[in-house]
Amino acid sequence: GQQLNQSPQSMFIQEGEDVSMNCTSSSIFNTWLWYKQDPGEGPVLLIALYKAGELTSNGRLTAQFGITRKDSFLNISASIPSDVGIYFCAGLRGTNAGKSTFGDGTTLTVKP
Amino acid sequence: GAVVSQHPSWVICKSGTSVKIECRSLDFQATTMFWYRQFPKQSLMLMATSNEGSKATYEQGVEKDKFLINHASLTLSTLTVTSAHPEDSSFYICSAGTGGGGYEQYFGPGTRLTVT
Repeated sequence: GQQLNQSPQSMFIQEGEDVSMNCTSSSIFNTWLWYKQDPGEGPVLLIALYKAGELTSNGRLTAQFGITRKDSFLNISASIPSDVGIYFCAGLRGTNAGKSTFGDGTTLTVKP
Repeated sequence: GAVVSQHPSWVICKSGTSVKIECRSLDFQATTMFWYRQFPKQSLMLMATSNEGSKATYEQGVEKDKFLINHASLTLSTLTVTSAHPEDSSFYICSAGTGGGGYEQYFGPGTRLTVT
């Protein structure tokens, strides 16, 4: 089936540093979504991308929809301790949100 | 807006019993809700799509007689784990789409099920 390769698997950074993570696929997606999941909670939508090349920001977060439509990137600037969590990318081909393909997640740890 | 709740947030049950988990969209109507299962340190696995007023659509490998889904109204879907076994212990998360052409899902906070 469809697979997303999300990297890195985990990151340990110092507070104030910038963070980059990405998802790549061998298949084309029409929508890319980025979620954050805190321990014991459900994922929360951070950014949704609908168009190849699109660059969207949400506060300190910036995500881009790759030109090839096979990848997406998420950057977090000036990290803070509350950025800790697991970040998931999700790609969607059609209009059925339930058919999103999720990456395996990037676990972010921020040291104060 | 787009708030989804789940109840209970955690439950412990004995092997052989059944457990019902509720998923509610609090400030919007959801004709479609989704049920996921997540194991520790792993991604979300879609179990089924819950459609209001009709039967749920199950993903391959998910036993529909074991995981009963009912979507009785536009704001409520329930997942019942029947005859639970320890291997059913997991984190169950529901989500709902807001419709209107957007493809985002809004997730509930999850339910931690432990079967002893």
